[in-house]
Amino acid sequence: AQTVTQSQPEMSVQEAETVTLSCTYDTSESDYYLFWYKQPPSRQMILVIRQEAYKQQNATENRFSVNFQKAAKSFSLKISDSQLGDAAMYFCAYRRPYGGSQGNLIFGKGTKLSVKP
Amino acid sequence: KAGVTQTPRYLIKTRGQQVTLSCSPISGHRSVSWYQQTPGQGLQFLFEYFSETQRNKGNFPGRFSGRQFSNSRSEMNVSTLELGDSALYLCASSLGQGGLNPFFGQGTRLTVV
Repeated sequence: AQTVTQSQPEMSVQEAETVTLSCTYDTSESDYYLFWYKQPPSRQMILVIRQEAYKQQNATENRFSVNFQKAAKSFSLKISDSQLGDAAMYFCAYRRPYGGSQGNLIFGKGTKLSVKP
Repeated sequence: KAGVTQTPRYLIKTRGQQVTLSCSPISGHRSVSWYQQTPGQGLQFLFEYFSETQRNKGNFPGRFSGRQFSNSRSEMNVSTLELGDSALYLCASSLGQGGLNPFFGQGTRLTVV
């Protein structure tokens, strides 16, 4: 079974600085999807970034980028120029490639990010 | 367009009772998935409905059930509530079955006393 591990329960960053959140996963499959979700106090899960395992290029969305190391099964999220609005819980998630009857997300336990002004 | 709507937002029930939670997906989305979020277990997949049929199921007891209506709205039901069922229940909708970009609602916070 696939598992997702986030080893940092809490992280803190100064406003305008850069922070990296770690995620490792375990799977025997060669093709899959990885995600980072943000959950602010409003509780709504918001997709931050998605990475397809077959793509070697790391995904980027504005200030958010990932470092995807397939062989190491590592998927870290880098937030540049941190803003107060980035403060939230961040979840790493895995999904099998086929969707269909096995398209559910498998989440890590999350990292709580605080941003200091 | 309107997002995923979950009702109610908060709920307090007594142990042994049953509860029904509702989820209205984004217009045009036909798949609805449910997740349970607790401090101890984190986010766990409950089930997914597509075209009124359960397509995928997580590892939860039979007390947890759901259904989907022809307009894609979904309900989940928990019978014989236990204290451990206290959680945030999140619903996510997507266009197709097992969609790559599910949109989440704000959840229903269930407290069992």
